[in-house]
Parts: sequence; C-alpha cells; structure tokens
Amino acid sequence: DTGVSQDPRHKITKRGQNVTFRCDPISEHNRLYWYRQTLGQGPEFLTYFQNEAQLEKSRLLSDRFSAERPKGSFSTLEIQRTEQGDSAMYLCASSLVGTLTGELFFGEGSRLTVL
Amino acid sequence: AQSVTQLGSHVSVSEGALVLLRCNYSSSVPPYLFWYVQYPNQGLQLLLKYTSAATLVKGINGFEAEFKKSETSFHLTKPSAHMSDAAEYFCAVSLGNQGGKLIFGQGTELSVKP
Repeated sequence: DTGVSQDPRHKITKRGQNVTFRCDPISEHNRLYWYRQTLGQGPEFLTYFQNEAQLEKSRLLSDRFSAERPKGSFSTLEIQRTEQGDSAMYLCASSLVGTLTGELFFGEGSRLTVL
Repeated sequence: AQSVTQLGSHVSVSEGALVLLRCNYSSSVPPYLFWYVQYPNQGLQLLLKYTSAATLVKGINGFEAEFKKSETSFHLTKPSAHMSDAAEYFCAVSLGNQGGKLIFGQGTELSVKP
C-alpha cells in the first residue's frame, strides 16, 4: 500500500515532554499538510509544505510546534513542552500540485494523549 | 473568509431510510466543495467533490450531493442507508488560490439503526 503513513499511531506522554510525529506522504505528492483534530470537531489546518518549503502556518501553530520537510519527502511535527491541551489527533495529508485543488489524501493519524 | 457549517452534530436513521446530511458554506468566490468520511480510528476518505462542473455530484458508496449556489448549500444524500454507513462525515471548502488548504465543518456523526 502506498498511501499516507503516520508514525506513531498513538503516543502517551507526560506534560512537559517533547514529542515528534512523522508523516510519509504518497511518493509523488509534493504538497504535505498537517491538521489537528480534537474530539467532536473537524480537522483544523496547522501548516503545509510544497516540496521542502513551508508555505503557510496557522495561528494555531504556537512557538512550541515546529514542522519540517527537509528533503521534500517525509515530514516531522514536533511539539515541545507538551500541555494537556495538545491532546488531539494529528492528521497528515498529501496532494499533487496540478491535480484538483483540495483533493487531499489523509493518513490514519497520530493520536496524542498528554497526561 | 470561507467557512463551513454542518447542521446537526448527530443524525440517526434506520437501515434503508434516506440519509440527509446538511452543509452550508460561506465563500466570497466560487468554492471547491468536498465531503469526507471518517470511520473510527481511521483517517479521512474522500466521498465526493464539487469543482464547478455538474451541480449534482455522485460519489462512492451510493452517496451524492447537490451544489446550490442560491442557498450556499452542499447537502449529502443517500437514498437507502446501510449499517456500514455509520461514521463521521465532514464537509469541507477550498479556494483554488490557497495552496489546497481545506476548511472543515465540525462534522456530523451518522448512526444507522437496524
């Protein structure tokens, strides 16, 4: 299967610890997006990359959050000094520039629980 | 700014009954509109999309949606619900000039009773 993959699927951490999530997009896709989804809510946009360039960041992305896509392939999302409010599902999606805008392919998500 | 409102956070229907999930959007320019489905502990899967071609859009699993500009709506329907349709459904809007970013509604959880 060559869909979007995310790792880990589940992460439990204590408040104040750092966590990192990885996303591997569909191989030929040059756009990569991160979303956050809390219980009972729709996904909220965090940031997106086109190749290795981070082109937009949401105001939701505080200074404790950093995302990278160093070689234009996989991406990492790091949360420093986690807080209980960071508990959420973190979704990664990818798309191909030139195809229909907005048709994103999502991974299964990484669920974060901060104790 | 564009936004999406889904009316009803939870809808319950009987198996075989009509499914109607409501979505209204706000956009200053013609939007692209989407419905995604999310099964428990899974990612989002595209059901269907509106791209300014036909206003009645057919998707997977027997779902369809109609774009009504005058009502700024994009409601999702299915003539006959199946137990396997139980899931969370999200309506989303995208503008063509914003890098493909999607703005999602809050979602509607569909329950199907036997």
